[in-house]
Amino acid sequence: EEQLVESGGGLVKPGGSLRLSCVVSGFSFIRHNMIWVRQTPGKGLEWVSSISGDSVNIYYGDSMTGRFTTSRDNAKNSLFLHINSLRVDDMAVYYCARISSAWSIDLWGRGTLVTVSS
Amino acid sequence: QSVLTQPPSASGTPGQRVTISCSGSNSNIGSNAVNWFQQFPGAAPQLLIHSLNERPSGVPDRFSGSKSGTSASLAISGLQSGDEADYYCAAWDDSLNGWVFGGGTKLTVL
Repeated sequence: EEQLVESGGGLVKPGGSLRLSCVVSGFSFIRHNMIWVRQTPGKGLEWVSSISGDSVNIYYGDSMTGRFTTSRDNAKNSLFLHINSLRVDDMAVYYCARISSAWSIDLWGRGTLVTVSS
Repeated sequence: QSVLTQPPSASGTPGQRVTISCSGSNSNIGSNAVNWFQQFPGAAPQLLIHSLNERPSGVPDRFSGSKSGTSASLAISGLQSGDEADYYCAAWDDSLNGWVFGGGTKLTVL
């Protein structure tokens, strides 16, 4: 079964940092671009970052540049998102998702909740 | 403020056909395929429609997509109570080098 499982979320104080992980199984990880998307409680979806299969191309949303770092370890079928200087408005469910060969977001994880509060 | 514009709500009665619109620009919908997602409360989004009007395995053919210029639509025919959910559109944006989403449409089955 093709699966994405996020972890690493939790309660963090403003200014803190966090590393989210996404472990994939059931498909060839290296063949796919991957993305992070976040969703604030009760609100819509926001693209965070994208990374190509070979990690050569990495892109970030406008409000993410500088504090967010996306990486992947193809040997461990894992995707990562490191967030520095966390702010209250970073509080969201963070999803990892797969980009298909047809350039669709065709598989999502269940998400991991990041709470930023003092 | 989302880059793609969707109506915040839509509604219909069982059996009816409803459509949800998604408006963008030349750099996203005008140039690239549109994805449509369905999201139930507490769950992750799931792909409904991609490319011009392709459905992943398991998605009923009651769901269909269309696109004209910089706008796209999702149509749901034979509306069922189980279709009550949030629906989002998305597309790659060539100017932003990233994915853009609509703000979501909450579908209510009356």
